[in-house]
Amino acid sequence: DAGVIQSPRHEVTEMGQEVTLRCKPISGHDYLFWYRQTMMRGLELLIYFNNNVPIDDSGMPEDRFSAKMPNASFSTLKIQPSEPRDSAVYFCASSLRDGYNQPQHFGDGTRLSIL
Amino acid sequence: ILNVEQSPQSLHVQEGDSTNFTCSFPSSNFYALHWYRWETAKSPEALFVMTLNGDEKKKGRISATLNTKEGYSYLYIKGSQPEDSATYLCAFWSGYALNFGKGTSLLVTP
Repeated sequence: DAGVIQSPRHEVTEMGQEVTLRCKPISGHDYLFWYRQTMMRGLELLIYFNNNVPIDDSGMPEDRFSAKMPNASFSTLKIQPSEPRDSAVYFCASSLRDGYNQPQHFGDGTRLSIL
Repeated sequence: ILNVEQSPQSLHVQEGDSTNFTCSFPSSNFYALHWYRWETAKSPEALFVMTLNGDEKKKGRISATLNTKEGYSYLYIKGSQPEDSATYLCAFWSGYALNFGKGTSLLVTP
């Protein structure tokens, strides 16, 4: 079974540009999570979905960030406009129902650099 | 944001040594405690999910214990090997999200 698939693996773009990160969760998983990893703050939750519905987006830093899950097999995290402080590794993870007692399966991450 | 503390921040041991790390979390409103292993240039990989006070889990040379009443979990590695070198993350599920600690970075040298 394929794991969580994220694309692109690396993204380098200039400040002000729109950035779209993509994620395909493991088939059959009900929960999808977006995380951001930085040296300063570690791994922090941005938003998560249950059955394609956003449940908690309190971790989304500001209005420049948005996330969608149009169907069970695809999610996007968009940053518009991007800023240098958005540079980080962004991870997507998925888990089965009752997310709290199921392990999360992480994608390989997208390393984002905003110049 | 709930405080999940891990100690030590980093650890350097010799091959064959046994070691352990600590994860502290809020003792109220407990749902689950997760442990993940994160190798450099890879993604976090689940080791254990623990939900009951007194839980003990084991996978090969790695084991974990859980005390929900006092809010801590220990991860033990018996006879460390160089391939155990990684960052070990714990995460506390508070009821709506998984809150990660900053991790313990383990280096095992031959």
